[in-house]
Amino acid sequence: AQSVAQPEDQVNVAEGNPLTVKCTYSVSGNPYLFWYVQYPNRGLQFLLKYITGDNLVKGSYGFEAEFNKSQTSFHLKKPSALVSDSALYFCAVRDMDNYGQNFVFGPGTRLSVLP
Amino acid sequence: DSGVTQTPKHLITATGQRVTLRCSPRSGDLSVYWYQQSLDQGLQFLIQYYNGEERAKGNILERFSAQQFPDLHSELNLSSLELGDSALYFCASSPGSLDSDLLSTFGSGTRLTVV
Repeated sequence: AQSVAQPEDQVNVAEGNPLTVKCTYSVSGNPYLFWYVQYPNRGLQFLLKYITGDNLVKGSYGFEAEFNKSQTSFHLKKPSALVSDSALYFCAVRDMDNYGQNFVFGPGTRLSVLP
Repeated sequence: DSGVTQTPKHLITATGQRVTLRCSPRSGDLSVYWYQQSLDQGLQFLIQYYNGEERAKGNILERFSAQQFPDLHSELNLSSLELGDSALYFCASSPGSLDSDLLSTFGSGTRLTVV
C-alpha cells in the first residue's frame, strides 16, 4: 500500500529565510509525487509534481522539490519565504494500486512565515 | 477559480439526516473524485467516477453513496449523519485518460457540520 509521511505538524520560519517542508513516501513501483497547498477556506492548489526526469522539480510561486530515491523523500523548498506562503501543505502520492486513480495524502504540515 | 464547482459551500444539519453534495467538474474532465478532510482522519479518498461509472473506491462508509450523471456532474449522498461526519468534502476532477489522470483539479469544498 502507498503511504506518505510528513514528520512535522508545524514549521515556523522567518520571512526571507529559506524553508523546507519534509515528506517521505512508501510506494510499490515508481512514485508519482505531488505537493498541494491549502489556504484558509480554500480548496487544494497544485504546486508541483514529480513523475520522471530531473530530481529537482520547479513549481508554482517559487517552490521547488527534490526527489531522493534512496531516502524515499520529496521535500518541498523555497529559497526565501513570504508571509503569504503561510498555509497548509500536503504531500501526496498517486495510488497506483487503486488503478492509479486517486491520491494518498500525507497528514499535512502547517507553515507559518513570521514577518 | 479552479473550474471545479461545489455546492453548497456550507451545510449545517442534524444527526440522522441526509444531505446531498454536488460537484460540477472542470469542462472536459471525465473523472470526478470525492475526498473527505477531517481533523482526525486527514484527507481521505472516498470514491471516483469516470464517465458515469464507478472506477475506484476508498474509505467510503456504507451510509455514503455517490453517482455521476450524463452531464458529468456528480453528487455525494450522506445519510444517517453522525457528528463524526462533520468535515470538509472536496471534489476533484481530471481529464480521464491514463497519463493526464496524474493531475487533478480540486474544488473549494463543502463544509458539512452535523449538530
